[in-house]
Amino acid sequence: KNQVEQSPQSLIILEGKNCTLQCNYTVSPFSNLRWYKQDTGRGPVSLTIMTFSENTKSNGRYTATLDADTKQSSLHITASQLSDSASYICVVSANFGNEKLTFGTGTRLTIIP
Amino acid sequence: DGGITQSPKYLFRKEGQNVTLSCEQNLNHDAMYWYRQDPGQGLRLIYYSQIVNDFQKGDIAEGYSVSREKKESFPLTVTSAQKNPTAFYLCASRASGIYNEQFFGPGTRLTVL
Repeated sequence: KNQVEQSPQSLIILEGKNCTLQCNYTVSPFSNLRWYKQDTGRGPVSLTIMTFSENTKSNGRYTATLDADTKQSSLHITASQLSDSASYICVVSANFGNEKLTFGTGTRLTIIP
Repeated sequence: DGGITQSPKYLFRKEGQNVTLSCEQNLNHDAMYWYRQDPGQGLRLIYYSQIVNDFQKGDIAEGYSVSREKKESFPLTVTSAQKNPTAFYLCASRASGIYNEQFFGPGTRLTVL
């Protein structure tokens, strides 16, 4: 069964600090891995997408890494801001001819001043 | 939220009533999706459509119905057969390309009274 597990479930950090969110997956055949940011009551917004051949990708203060051998990904947030408070969702795509997405349950990040 | 709109933002329904959630996109995407989001769970696929006048059941289609008469529109009807319809509903459309990225709408929160 395809699964995506994220840790921690929730995280509270001080504004300006860095943090790293983790994602482990058991999805095959692997196509790509995505990180989304979801503000409360809003739709998810894409941060990064990585295929099998990409092991790091940045989007401003967000940097995602992918280790396809260990089936792990991380999302590093640098110099956190209050606006980073949101849920971060890891999503893995499998391709059986038709694409199938498996969603993690998310990490709830709270930035405090 | 890109070029995807969902309406209404909040919807209240009495038990036994059918309700229809609207999803419109102006991104010229062929594929569209409906997901359900519940607290503590990953997004779950309800229905998807890869082309006009065609759609397929997702993982939790029971109690739901859809239509795809126009490329821009993919409405979801929550019927009285859906036993636990209170949830946050997200519509998405998919771009064609190497990543097949999905773009999400702002969501509709449905509450059954």
